[in-house]
Amino acid sequence: KNEVEQSPQNLTAQEGEFITINCSYSVGISALHWLQQHPGGGIVSLFMLSSGKKKHGRLIATINIQEKHSSLHITASHPRDSAVYICAVRSRNQFYFGTGTSLTVIP
Amino acid sequence: KAGVTQTPRYLIKTRGQQVTLSCSPISGHRSVSWYQQTPGQGLQFLFEYFSETQRNKGNFPGRFSGRQFSNSRSEMNVSTLELGDSALYLCASSLEVTGHEQYFGPGTRLTVT
Repeated sequence: KNEVEQSPQNLTAQEGEFITINCSYSVGISALHWLQQHPGGGIVSLFMLSSGKKKHGRLIATINIQEKHSSLHITASHPRDSAVYICAVRSRNQFYFGTGTSLTVIP
Repeated sequence: KAGVTQTPRYLIKTRGQQVTLSCSPISGHRSVSWYQQTPGQGLQFLFEYFSETQRNKGNFPGRFSGRQFSNSRSEMNVSTLELGDSALYLCASSLEVTGHEQYFGPGTRLTVT
């Protein structure tokens, strides 16, 4: 069983659409991270959450600790948002990663 | 401020050889973590260092080791390379072990033939 599950695995959207990526986890956590990985491998940390909600520009991340669930929302999606989005959790002395959501935004 | 740098960026090795990868964190960052990324297993945590001490370790065999120097630079070593060690190795730095964003380097792509 994976400690972190993401859905959907793949997502294609039209430019301008509102996008939601979900992450569920089964372990106790001290923090949850949303990462973005573009082709070529570079990873950027988008958010680090331990409670509530954070917003950076068009990106919003929420977490519900009781339900062990987090969502990443992208408003007014743009082709440059095309990337793999990875949910990661820090639990005790370990990091666990979801398998990623591959997002393609079509102009 | 310069970002996290990793050297080399690409490496080809033969089975049975050993390899050392290097990571220079952002200035002032004292924590360095290492990750392995493969198409089959995705991202996996290798180890985490803080103030020259290994704080946490993932579920990898003893062939994988690392260390951190007094200037926070870190190296990881893989001995007796296997084909399955072919992967993108990423390091990330942060100010402290917990409670801070991680900043990732570009990675070292290791190919074992």
